[in-house]
Amino acid sequence: DIQMTQSPSSLSAYVGDRVTITCRAGQTISNSLNWYQQKPGKAPKLLIYAASSLQSGVPSRFSGSGSGTEFTLTISSLQPEDFATYYCQRSNSPSMYTFGQGTKLEIK
Amino acid sequence: EVYLVESGGGLVQPGRSLRLSCAASGFTFNTYEMNWVRQTPGEGLEWISYISGSGSTIYYADSVKGRFTISRDNAKNSVYLQMNSLSADDTAVYYCARLRAIPTRPFDYWGQGTLVTVSS
Repeated sequence: DIQMTQSPSSLSAYVGDRVTITCRAGQTISNSLNWYQQKPGKAPKLLIYAASSLQSGVPSRFSGSGSGTEFTLTISSLQPEDFATYYCQRSNSPSMYTFGQGTKLEIK
Repeated sequence: EVYLVESGGGLVQPGRSLRLSCAASGFTFNTYEMNWVRQTPGEGLEWISYISGSGSTIYYADSVKGRFTISRDNAKNSVYLQMNSLSADDTAVYYCARLRAIPTRPFDYWGQGTLVTVSS
């Protein structure tokens, strides 16, 4: 199984900060990498698919990049509603959709 | 508007069974692949099962293989998860999620989740 490793596991930042979260795959997965946001008590929400494509309705301050084994999610200017937990997910195989362990983004 | 609504969760004793349902609306159900994902309390997300639109292709995570069975009824716009031989490790919120039919296969819509608690 290809492991997905996110860093950092937690992060504190101020409103207005630029924040980057990294996800590394144990093997190359091309661009089959998705990012989700989850708020407490809610279902995950798709933010970015195919490593860099913004899901409809998601603010443009969110962006994704990367290919192969290393990927990043960037929030250009943090807003109060962005404080949540973020997960990456590989989707290069129809028989396995592994998630990263999550990155909890908290207000400083 | 796409809706996915899970039901069937609750408190169950170890070793017993439970069947979860996910009712879908707002899209042509039989053309979409579906998944179940679970989240243990305070922990991360674990994909556990996939089913194709016709129901002919099915996959499971190793953690549930041989104990859980995914199925769907396209006439009822529903996907199911039959869970047998439950243990405390299966305590989690269970989500159904739609798989978007593009090459990179993201989960574009999720239900609100249903809580399964396995305890004596």
